[in-house]
Amino acid sequence: DTGVSQDPRHKITKRGQNVTFRCDPISEHNRLYWYRQTLGQGPEFLTYFQNEAQLEKSRLLSDRFSAERPKGSFSTLEIQRTEQGDSAMYLCASSLVAGGLRSSYNEQFFGPGTRLTVL
Amino acid sequence: AQKVTQAQTEISVVEKEDVTLDCVYETRDTTYYLFWYKQPPSGELVFLIRRNSFDEQNEISGRYSWNFQKSTSSFNFTITASQVVDSAVYFCALSEGRDQAGTALIFGKGTTLSVSS
Repeated sequence: DTGVSQDPRHKITKRGQNVTFRCDPISEHNRLYWYRQTLGQGPEFLTYFQNEAQLEKSRLLSDRFSAERPKGSFSTLEIQRTEQGDSAMYLCASSLVAGGLRSSYNEQFFGPGTRLTVL
Repeated sequence: AQKVTQAQTEISVVEKEDVTLDCVYETRDTTYYLFWYKQPPSGELVFLIRRNSFDEQNEISGRYSWNFQKSTSSFNFTITASQVVDSAVYFCALSEGRDQAGTALIFGKGTTLSVSS
C-alpha cells in the first residue's frame, strides 16, 4: 500500500508525559500537513511542510508542540507535557504541488490518524 | 476570514432516496479551492472531489454530483439513490489559493449521513 501511513495508531499517556507521532507521506508528495480532529468536529489545521521547510503554523500549535520533517520525507509531531485537552485524533496528509500553474494544485490525501488519549 | 458552514448536523434517509448535503463558504480570496471528503466509521478521510473557484462547472461522478454556485457561495453535494455504504460523516473544506496551489484546508463541522435499508 502506497498511501499515507501513521504510527502509532493509538497512544495512551499520562498527563505531563511527552509523546511523538510519525507520518510517512505518499512517496512522491512534497507537501505534508498535520491536522487535529476532536470528537464531533472537522479536522483543524496545525502546520504544514513543503519538502523540509515548515511554511505555516496555526495558532493552535502551542509552544508544547513541535513538528519536523528533516529530510523532506517522513515527519514527526511531538507534544511535550501533554494535557488532557490534547486528547484528539492527529491526522497527517500529503499532497503533490508542482510548478506554478493553477492546475497543478493536488488534493490532500489523509492517513488513518493517531488517536491520542491523555489520562 | 475563511469559514465553512455545514448547517445539517445529521441526516437520515432510507436506501434509494436522494440526499443533498449543503455547504456554504466564506472567503475574501478570488482564487480558492473547495473539497468534499468522506469519513466512514473506520475513521480515514477519503477525498471525493476538488473544485477551483474559476471553474463553476458542476460535476457528476456515478451517483455523486456537486453543484458549485459562486453567487451564493455554496458547494452542495448530492447522492442519488443512496446506499447503506454511503453512511459516513461528510466534510466540506476550503483552501485559499495564496500561492496558486492552496494551503491548509479549512473544514466544516461535518454532516453525519445515516442510510438505512
